Amino acid sequence: TQLLEQSPQFLSIQEGENLTVYCNSSSVFSSLQWYRQEPGEGPVLLVTVVTGGEVKKLKRLTFQFGDARKDSSLHITAAQPGDTGLYLCAAMEYGNKLVFGAGTILRVKS
Amino acid sequence: NAGVMQNPRHLVRRRGQEARLRCSPMKGHSHVYWYRQLPEEGLKFMVYLQKENIIDESGMPKERFSAEFPKEGPSILRIQQVVRGDSAAYFCASSPNDAGRGYGYTFGSGTRLTVV
Repeated sequence: TQLLEQSPQFLSIQEGENLTVYCNSSSVFSSLQWYRQEPGEGPVLLVTVVTGGEVKKLKRLTFQFGDARKDSSLHITAAQPGDTGLYLCAAMEYGNKLVFGAGTILRVKS
Repeated sequence: NAGVMQNPRHLVRRRGQEARLRCSPMKGHSHVYWYRQLPEEGLKFMVYLQKENIIDESGMPKERFSAEFPKEGPSILRIQQVVRGDSAAYFCASSPNDAGRGYGYTFGSGTRLTVV
């Protein structure tokens, strides 16, 4: 089982600040996904990255896949209280099974 | 187009009772996955099913837990003789044929099981 390590575990920032969360592994991935989960709800897919070095932007969120396809980052510009949630990275294991990192809890204070 | 439907949203059981959690996948999705989540933690894979078949149950405890996805009706995760340690949020996800590979799952809102 490939291990996905996310950092930091917890992040509390003021509205308007920028932040980056990381997802790392010693394994190479064919693809990696980022999900956001709000309290009391299921995770919602934000993005899938497939190509090494790929950068995808989703409004104020920028996702990057490492050149070696072993790591990924999520950068949020000018965070807002609505960005508060649990951010999870996930990668596909053999047999169509998605495995998740432990997540980064983000709290954005107004 | 309804998403993944799970019920009940909240379930309270006494120790020793049985818990049945239901999941109806998105229309057109034939793959169902069950995950368990403890508070403010990531999701732990339990089982992967297709219609009438268990594909991978490597994450499911060998005793007291079972899952099925019949030809008709929802997928069921069944926990017999529940214990306090079974208290968690249980999420179901679905995907179309093999499109889960790299394209993400659609998750339901979960069932929060509390064992008292």
